Amino acid sequence: DAGVIQSPRHEVTEMGQEVTLRCKPISGHNSLFWYRQTMMRGLELLIYFNNNVPIDDSGMPEDRFSAKMPNASFSTLKIQPSEPRDSAVYFCASKEDGTYEQYFGPGTRLTVT
Amino acid sequence: GESVGLHLPTLSVQEGDNSIINCAYSNSASDYFIWYKQESGKGPQFIIDIRSNMDKRQGQRVTVLLNKTVKHLSLQIAATQPGDSAVYFCAEHGSSNTGKLIFGQGTTLQVKP
Repeated sequence: DAGVIQSPRHEVTEMGQEVTLRCKPISGHNSLFWYRQTMMRGLELLIYFNNNVPIDDSGMPEDRFSAKMPNASFSTLKIQPSEPRDSAVYFCASKEDGTYEQYFGPGTRLTVT
Repeated sequence: GESVGLHLPTLSVQEGDNSIINCAYSNSASDYFIWYKQESGKGPQFIIDIRSNMDKRQGQRVTVLLNKTVKHLSLQIAATQPGDSAVYFCAEHGSSNTGKLIFGQGTTLQVKP
């Protein structure tokens, strides 16, 4: 099993640019979670999907952030326009229905200059 | 107001000694708890879990203890090794069955050779 796959692993962009982060969950997992990790706030849940449907997006910081899950094997987190305070490591995690354990990807380190 | 940054508690132990990492959780109705280990540059990895109807669970070199009376969770690592150096997070699942995990701020474990 390849585990949760995220791309890119590192992204450096200038303020105002659009950034798209990608995630492929583990095959057969029904739930997908996007987290942001910073020194200031630790690990924060941004949004999660169940069966491709957004269930809770209360953690999305503002309208500049959007997430989609067009099918069971792919999700994107988009930031438009990006700002320096968006610099963080973004993790995607997935899990099976009926279980609690979330499996995390390696993360995308985003730097906005 | 905003803090300058999270000051993660740090536990420094000698190689071969036992380590105990503590966590206070917030929701007395939480029904499930997980310990995750995060090494530098990687995503959190599952270590061990425990349900709220248990007080103790043992794995390989790790033991989790749950004290529901004081809402306290601990992770014990026996014969700590340099490879155990990482940030350790506890996470709780509330009883609402949403699938969401609430993560603690983490503890840094440093193992001295």
